[in-house]
Amino acid sequence: GQQVMQIPQYQHVQEGEDFTTYCNSSTTLSNIQWYKQRPGGHPVFLIQLVKSGEVKKQKRLTFQFGEAKKNSSLHITATQTTDVGTYFCAGPYGNNRKLIWGLGTSLAVNP
Amino acid sequence: NAGVTQTPKFQVLKTGQSMTLQCAQDMNHNSMYWYRQDPGMGLRLIYYSASEGTTDKGEVPNGYNVSRLNKREFSLRLESAAPSQTSVYFCASSEAPLQRSGAYEQYFGPGTRLTVT
Repeated sequence: GQQVMQIPQYQHVQEGEDFTTYCNSSTTLSNIQWYKQRPGGHPVFLIQLVKSGEVKKQKRLTFQFGEAKKNSSLHITATQTTDVGTYFCAGPYGNNRKLIWGLGTSLAVNP
Repeated sequence: NAGVTQTPKFQVLKTGQSMTLQCAQDMNHNSMYWYRQDPGMGLRLIYYSASEGTTDKGEVPNGYNVSRLNKREFSLRLESAAPSQTSVYFCASSEAPLQRSGAYEQYFGPGTRLTVT
C-alpha cells in the first residue's frame, strides 16, 4: 500500500543550528502537506506544495517538493526554541479527501 | 469562531466500558475525520466523513463506530473499550482544496486523551 516515510525520527540541535527533515513517498503524490505539532498540542497546517520542483519559504522555513513529486523536505535555518515540536508530512489519497501521514520528525532545540 | 472543538479533554475508562467522543466544527466544512495518535505510530485514520450523511472506514476502524449527526458534528463511539485503545484522539475537518490538484488542508481539534485500564 501507499506509504510515506520521514527521516530522521528525532533531531536534537543547538539553538542557531539548521535542521532538515525529509519525506519520501512510495508513490507519486499530487501534492504534499506539512504540519507542525507542539508538545501536548495538535497538528497545525504549515503549507501545501503542488508543483514539481516547487520551493516555498515561510520566514526561516524552506519547503521543497521533488521533481518526481515523490519526496519533499523542510529546512529550518537558525533554529529557535519556538521551533520545538514534531513536523509531519502528509500526502493525499482517496480522491484527495484523505491524508496518509509520515511518522514525523521530533525536533528538540537546546538554548 | 472556535474552529474544531472536542469533548472531553481527558477520560479514563475501565475495560469494557463504553463512551462517545464528541467533535464539532464551526467552519462549515464538509469533511470530518477521526484520528488516533500513539507514540511512534504517527496519525492513523479511524473513520472519516466526506460529507453529511456519509461515513467511511480509515486504516484502523475496528472497535469504533461513528455518527455524522449533522454538518457540524461527528462523534466517535467506543462500544467496549480495550487497553489497546489507550491513545490521543484527534478530530479534524477540511473543505475545498487550496488549488485544483490540492488535497484538503485539515484543521484539528485539541484532542482527547483516553486511558483504558
